[in-house]
Amino acid sequence: GAVVSQHPSWVICKSGTSVKIECRSLDFQATTMFWYRQFPKQSLMLMATSNEGSKATYEQGVEKDKFLINHASLTLSTLTVTSAHPEDSSFYICSARDSGLAGGQDEQYFGPGTRLTVT
Amino acid sequence: QQQVKQSPQSLIVQKGGISIINCAYENTAFDYFPWYQQFPGKGPALLIAIRPDVSEKKEGRFTISFNKSAKQFSLHIMDSQPGDSATYFCAASSPGTYKYIFGTGTRLKVLA
Repeated sequence: GAVVSQHPSWVICKSGTSVKIECRSLDFQATTMFWYRQFPKQSLMLMATSNEGSKATYEQGVEKDKFLINHASLTLSTLTVTSAHPEDSSFYICSARDSGLAGGQDEQYFGPGTRLTVT
Repeated sequence: QQQVKQSPQSLIVQKGGISIINCAYENTAFDYFPWYQQFPGKGPALLIAIRPDVSEKKEGRFTISFNKSAKQFSLHIMDSQPGDSATYFCAASSPGTYKYIFGTGTRLKVLA
């Protein structure tokens, strides 16, 4: 159980185009999902918290107009990188928290990641 | 105050040895401390987690030791195997936020 998928697993796009990454919780519902960014040999940096039915909460320094997040259902959150540039090339990882867990249960389940390369 | 400091940056252990990774935090509001294992090109996978009211938790070959007064916690991997070679991240979160603050990671290599 507790499987999170991401699509696509890797994508190459040209500078100036937009790319959408999907994150799905396959066997549980997730009112809260998180988007992380990871550069090579570095740690995971939280970009934003995605809440079903409401606006995402972005971390300081993350451009909300560049990284559009939509959490339209209890099992799907999408991250759209708009007008991508080479410096946006990174490994994007989502995680989801099982809404069925009682308060105080903090487990997050991570997706396999999406490798974005902007040329 | 939101940082989680992790050491060492890299670690080489002989097969069958004990791997020890340490983390320290400042924010006393943190109340959940998970450890994740990540292989290259993959997402992190939860190994084991602990709360401050417990000083030690063991699951198989993995043990977390927690020192609340020192604001430190560590991961011990017993009988380390080559298949354990990966990057390990500690993390911490505050009540109700469910947001993780990750450590900087430790690249573990277990020699056959």
